[in-house]
Amino acid sequence: AQKITQTQPGMFVQEKEAVTLDCTYDTSDQSYGLFWYKQPSSGEMIFLIYQGSYDEQNATEGRYSLNFQKARKSANLVISASQLGDSAMYFCAMGPSYNTDKLIFGTGTRLQVFP
Amino acid sequence: GAVVSQHPSRVICKSGTSVKIECRSLDFQATTMFWYRQFPKQSLMLMATSNEGSKATYEQGVEKDKFLINHASLTLSTLTVTSAHPEDSSFYICSAGSGGRRDTEAFFGQGTRLTVV
Repeated sequence: AQKITQTQPGMFVQEKEAVTLDCTYDTSDQSYGLFWYKQPSSGEMIFLIYQGSYDEQNATEGRYSLNFQKARKSANLVISASQLGDSAMYFCAMGPSYNTDKLIFGTGTRLQVFP
Repeated sequence: GAVVSQHPSRVICKSGTSVKIECRSLDFQATTMFWYRQFPKQSLMLMATSNEGSKATYEQGVEKDKFLINHASLTLSTLTVTSAHPEDSSFYICSAGSGGRRDTEAFFGQGTRLTVV
């Protein structure tokens, strides 16, 4: 069975600093996708970044980058130059490769950015 | 990216009544939609997979008679919480399957916050 683990229930970071949110996963599948979503207090799920299991390079999307270490089964999210608007819940998720069907989510990390 | 619209965003109902939540894909056809539930301060848990033109597939522990799913068209799936009770109060959110499209953009609805009093 697939499993996503996020061990940080909460994180604090000062504005303009970088922060790393941890995510480890477990799967016996060879092909899979790893996703990060942001959920503000309004509840919507905002897609941030995706990493495919066969992608050789770490994914980057603007201020977001994914530190993918396949052997260690980790897919940490790095947010550079944090902004106050980054304060939200962040979920790591796993699904089939290159599509968002039937995702399995971690328990989430609440990030708070302070001035 | 594609857009999924979910309605209503918030609903309060009396215990014992039924509530219908709609999930629409606005600019693409979704043969598969997914319904998730999120209790306060918890993660999203998949409830069921909604298949257009056929019965939904429910995850273990989800009562299919309580959470009725209908996917009558390629752009609409509905979740009906029947005889709702306070323990059904939760955040429900749908997503539209990308159907094998090579796409990683998430197609989530805005979510529905259900409160049963």
